[in-house]
Amino acid sequence: EAGVAQSPRYKIIEKRQSVAFWCNPISGHATLYWYQQILGQGPKLLIQFQNNGVVDDSQLPKDRFSAERLKGVDSTLKIQPAKLEDSAVYLCASSLVGLTSEKLFFGSGTQLSVL
Amino acid sequence: DAKTTQPNSMESNEEEPVHLPCNHSTISGTDYIHWYRQLPSQGPEYVIHGLTSNVNNRMASLAIAEDRKSSTLILHRATLRDAAVYYCILRLIIQGAQKLVFGQGTRLTINP
Repeated sequence: EAGVAQSPRYKIIEKRQSVAFWCNPISGHATLYWYQQILGQGPKLLIQFQNNGVVDDSQLPKDRFSAERLKGVDSTLKIQPAKLEDSAVYLCASSLVGLTSEKLFFGSGTQLSVL
Repeated sequence: DAKTTQPNSMESNEEEPVHLPCNHSTISGTDYIHWYRQLPSQGPEYVIHGLTSNVNNRMASLAIAEDRKSSTLILHRATLRDAAVYYCILRLIIQGAQKLVFGQGTRLTINP
């Protein structure tokens, strides 16, 4: 079974630039999550999709972060403009339905460095 | 807004059992207890989850207190590959969908 695919693996940008991350969930998984993990901390949920609708984006800094999930499959997370404090690993996860207690499958993440 | 409390770090020896504790005193009746672990440079990996009864799988066992305010993840025979950060998480239901809120986790070191 193919896992959650994320790209790029690493990204280095300067502050005020824009950046985009891509995620391809496991086939058939309806729920997709984007987490931000700052060094030394646990992952923080940014946004959660059920198919292509947003379920929870309460922790997403909407003045600079945006995310979309077209056709209920792939997803893109964008930051514009980036700040130094956005340096983190961005993790994408998916689960089959998201309505019951089921496990999440995580990708390896995109490590972002903002200089 | 993590709802679990774990020790920051623990240390054990290879081939010995490891008991990782977690307190979740505000747990509600519908909250499942999930455990994930994160190896260096990887995304978190599911370990086990349970509601009320103790659970076993090929990776670990989960012992849940009778009042459900605490639980313990048990690795029966630790190997060097078990060195990771272990997260104890309560599965919440928000707007009809599950949500996992990670805390700081416990960094487990395994000595050869």
